[in-house]
Amino acid sequence: DVQLLESGGGLVQPGGSLRLSCAASGLTFSSSAMSWVRQAPGKGLEWVSAISSSGGSTYYADSVKGRFTISRDNSKNMLYLQMNSLRAEDTALYYCAKDFRFLEGSFDYWGQGTLVTVSS
Amino acid sequence: QSVLTQPPSASGTPGQRVTISCSGSSSNIGSNTVNWYQQLPGTAPKLLIYSNNQRPSGVPDRFSGSKSGTSASLAISGLHSEDEADYYCAAWDGSLNAVVFGGGTKLTVL
Repeated sequence: DVQLLESGGGLVQPGGSLRLSCAASGLTFSSSAMSWVRQAPGKGLEWVSAISSSGGSTYYADSVKGRFTISRDNSKNMLYLQMNSLRAEDTALYYCAKDFRFLEGSFDYWGQGTLVTVSS
Repeated sequence: QSVLTQPPSASGTPGQRVTISCSGSSSNIGSNTVNWYQQLPGTAPKLLIYSNNQRPSGVPDRFSGSKSGTSASLAISGLHSEDEADYYCAAWDGSLNAVVFGGGTKLTVL
């Protein structure tokens, strides 16, 4: 079975940094494009970032461009999201998701999410 | 405000057929495929429909999707109480170079 397990969330002050990780198993990770999708408390889904299977192509939502960096380590089956200059509006549950088809908005496997709270 | 527009709520009684709309523009729905997700309370989203009208393995055929121009719809026939959930549409936006989601529709089974 495919499993995506996020970690690294927590409470951070505005302007601070956090690195999220997603451990993947049960899939050929090196052949899978991956994304991060977030959901603010009581709100809808918001796509954050995507990375191609090789890591050679990355995409970001305008709301995080220049502050967040997506990366992956195919040798460890790991996906990462480095988040800098965090703002209160970045508070959300962050999901790691496997792209069913890259850059189509179709995600066939999701983790359970890791909560990021930005507050002083 | 979301790039894709969905009604905030919808409702139906068991056995009924309900539809949820998703309106976009030429840069997203008009030129790319639409996907639908179901999110049950307290759980991660689940892919319900991809490529406008394709169901992943395991999704009942009570769920169907369609697209016309810059709009798409999700139809649920033979409504069950367990269909009570939030539903989201999503598509790639070629102008924004980003995946865009609808704001979500909360379906209530009366």
